[in-house]
Amino acid sequence: GAGVSQTPSNKVTEKGKYVELRCDPISGHTALYWYRQSLGQGPEFLIYFQGTGAADDSGLPNDRFFAVRPEGSVSTLKIQRTERGDSAVYLCASSRGTGGDGEQYFGPGTRLTVT
Amino acid sequence: AQSVTQPDIHITVSEGASLELRCNYSYGATPYLFWYVQSPGQGLQLLLKYFSGDTLVQGIKGFEAEFKRSQSSFNLRKPSVHWSDAAEYFCAVGSMIKAAGNKLTFGGGTRVLVKP
Repeated sequence: GAGVSQTPSNKVTEKGKYVELRCDPISGHTALYWYRQSLGQGPEFLIYFQGTGAADDSGLPNDRFFAVRPEGSVSTLKIQRTERGDSAVYLCASSRGTGGDGEQYFGPGTRLTVT
Repeated sequence: AQSVTQPDIHITVSEGASLELRCNYSYGATPYLFWYVQSPGQGLQLLLKYFSGDTLVQGIKGFEAEFKRSQSSFNLRKPSVHWSDAAEYFCAVGSMIKAAGNKLTFGGGTRVLVKP
């Protein structure tokens, strides 16, 4: 079956612009996660959705970052007034449930470059 | 707060030789532990996971890992490396608090190079 998909695969934007990154989880997966992976580092947690609600947004670095999942499926990560430090690969993952043993399936990521 | 340390940034191994990647974690309770592999241009793929029970866990692609509570370690091993194992490997610890879902904290990764 189809895995997690993310669009676009690459995004180049100018400093100060607004960007949206999209994630399509595996069908039927209720949990959705966003992570950010900077060059040479491991992924860092940003936000977790259970259904439509953000159950944990403690990883969002500041109020320029926001994410939604209005119908409990597709999610959009939104970044306002982008800065060069936002350049990274943004990863999305989904899993069936909320249990700690729920395997997360990762998408290929969106590489964001802020010039 | 939970944390994961992968002491080796790079490891070079000859094809056919054994491989061991180190992972140390810090967590207040019995952790959920994971190893992921990331190949160039690919997404993260789960190799194996530990939740409870037998401390030696078997995964895909011939990998195994051993949970040692006394050492707070979860090292990954493979007896004989193939050229296709060249990739970056990430150890992660998952939160066990249901309300927090399965938030993963990753180590910095170990890049494995395989010599012919």
